[in-house]
Amino acid sequence: QKEVEQNSGPLSVPEGAIASLNCTYSDRGSQSFFWYRQYSGKSPELIMSIYSNGDKEDGRFTAQLNKASQYVSLLIRDSQPSDSATYLCAGNGLQGAQKLVFGQGTRLTINP
Amino acid sequence: DAGVIQSPRHEVTEMGQEVTLRCKPISGHNSLFWYRQTMMRGLELLIYFNNNVPIDDSGMPEDRFSAKMPNASFSTLKIQPSEPRDSAVYFCASRGASLWGNSGNTIYFGEGSWLTVV
Repeated sequence: QKEVEQNSGPLSVPEGAIASLNCTYSDRGSQSFFWYRQYSGKSPELIMSIYSNGDKEDGRFTAQLNKASQYVSLLIRDSQPSDSATYLCAGNGLQGAQKLVFGQGTRLTINP
Repeated sequence: DAGVIQSPRHEVTEMGQEVTLRCKPISGHNSLFWYRQTMMRGLELLIYFNNNVPIDDSGMPEDRFSAKMPNASFSTLKIQPSEPRDSAVYFCASRGASLWGNSGNTIYFGEGSWLTVV
């Protein structure tokens, strides 16, 4: 089992709709979780981090963490074509607290 | 503030040649990471350093790969000899010291070195 797993997609969402990206992790000791966005040919850039159970909102983005279910999600409201990218989920565990392990990434396309 | 700087940005080399990738982390950051990204395997951690000391190199594929961090502002990843299956994007990333809980865990990536071995 991979430490961090994502549905690789592709996920297609109409413009203006809510895009929902999901991620599960295997290390129950993981404490910190991150969502990175990667445009084609570019490096990953951080868009959200979450450390506590519940929701964290930042503009059109909401990260959700459920440690009991070992589940992390990212919601993008009012999706824009510029949101089309690959979204990478990452986490660290107790033993790997100093490193980030990434999921395979979910390719998201927003259709105008 | 300058971000993580990597060189070369692109390299095409012949199988069997030595490849050296270079990285300058963000000033003041004390952790440095080397990742490799391919379509098949995604983003894989190869090795990371803390205060210039290698902490975890379990992701280094084999003895052909080596990494060094002689000082806080410079690191190299070397492949010798290179093989076609080493073709990938190699990212260097850095992170500052975590002084307040988990807030220092954010990793910042360089632009990547695109390696093609023919």
